[in-house]
Amino acid sequence: DAKTTQPPSMDCAEGRAANLPCNHSTISGNEYVYWYRQIHSQGPQYIIHGLKNNETNEMASLIITEDRKSSTLILPHATLRDTAVYYCIVLNTNAGKSTFGDGTTLTVKP
Amino acid sequence: NAGVMQNPRHLVRRRGQEARLRCSPMKGHSHVYWYRQLPEEGLKFMVYLQKENIIDESGMPKERFSAEFPKEGPSILRIQQVVRGDSAAYFCASSPLSGTLSYEQYFGPGTRLTVT
Repeated sequence: DAKTTQPPSMDCAEGRAANLPCNHSTISGNEYVYWYRQIHSQGPQYIIHGLKNNETNEMASLIITEDRKSSTLILPHATLRDTAVYYCIVLNTNAGKSTFGDGTTLTVKP
Repeated sequence: NAGVMQNPRHLVRRRGQEARLRCSPMKGHSHVYWYRQLPEEGLKFMVYLQKENIIDESGMPKERFSAEFPKEGPSILRIQQVVRGDSAAYFCASSPLSGTLSYEQYFGPGTRLTVT
């Protein structure tokens, strides 16, 4: 699985959009980009995933660059409850395991 | 539809005892994954199972750890002769039957093992 690089921490003001970047420059053609988050001490929560097109669901939007070497997770209106560690991972469709890096600790401030 | 269930939520064992952690996947899910999270660290993959088969155990320590996912019943992660370094949160995740091209995993609340 390709490795990912994320900033260790970010702050965001409540009500504003949170844009979390992820670099995955060695991603291969059959690897998806997944995002999860882990709120303190809880089990990780699936957010969104994509292959090459931008994706949107009720939680977030995922923007993947045309060369697929990076992506951005967008939380359009961050709330205090969005404070969590956000993990970006890439996953081969033929492999089951997910390799979680250190993630980005997002702190939403009032 | 109930989510992934894990029990117990908290488990205390003395050094040398055995720990058994259980995971019931979401209904209709036949893939189970176990992860370990040490304090202040990220998630580390341990093992990936399907019903009655271990698919990938590359993250499992060679000794004392074993996992199973029988035809009936929950998946079990078993740690024999626990040591203090085994103290961690153990998370289980499940995903739907293969046939789609994506493997989103749904995590349980975790079991927090404390070895005294």
